[in-house]
Amino acid sequence: ETGVTQSPTHLIKTRGQQVTLRCSSQSGHNTVSWYQQALGQGPQFIFQYYREEENGRGNFPPRFSGLQFPNYSSELNVNALELDDSALYLCASSPEAANTGELFFGEGSRLTVL
Amino acid sequence: AQRVTQPEKLLSVFKGAPVELKCNYSYSGSPELFWYVQYSRQRLQLLLRHISRESIKGFTADLNKGETSFHLKKPFAQEEDSAMYYCALKKDNQGGKLIFGQGTELSVKP
Repeated sequence: ETGVTQSPTHLIKTRGQQVTLRCSSQSGHNTVSWYQQALGQGPQFIFQYYREEENGRGNFPPRFSGLQFPNYSSELNVNALELDDSALYLCASSPEAANTGELFFGEGSRLTVL
Repeated sequence: AQRVTQPEKLLSVFKGAPVELKCNYSYSGSPELFWYVQYSRQRLQLLLRHISRESIKGFTADLNKGETSFHLKKPFAQEEDSAMYYCALKKDNQGGKLIFGQGTELSVKP
């Protein structure tokens, strides 16, 4: 069973740039959630994708957007990067209709914005 | 607003001592509460959920709706319990959206 994989693991961008982060869900999982974890904080929900549609969004501006593909992999896009976007971005997958709250996390992509 | 509070950033105990990691929440509906754990150089993973009423690795947690708390307890801490612990709340029918606390780092000394 393949776990959640994320890429890249680390990246550095400058203010105003755009970034795309990628996530492959765990085998058999068709729901993907994205979280932002700032240093010293708990993960904060960005949005969730289910069957290629956004299915819930946290308190993040529209410059945070996402996609889910037919193979259930997902992308997180952030436009017009700001210094405060520096964080660990976590992807988590879960199986359909589980609604159990059990999420399977990737190792994250650490974004630094200079 | 929904919120999860973990008042301690760091909890340090000696091996064999009891440990209690505190978690308080605010939510007007029927919450489901979870504890997630992140061991060194590992990914975040589920430790236990209140619905299951189970003991995992000797840890238990009871949901106290009156006190809006979900404290994590273990009677005898082990060195391998050292990790970051996050309390999380799931709102009704929103499986993927968890509200996490800030986390408590547990350090178990020999």
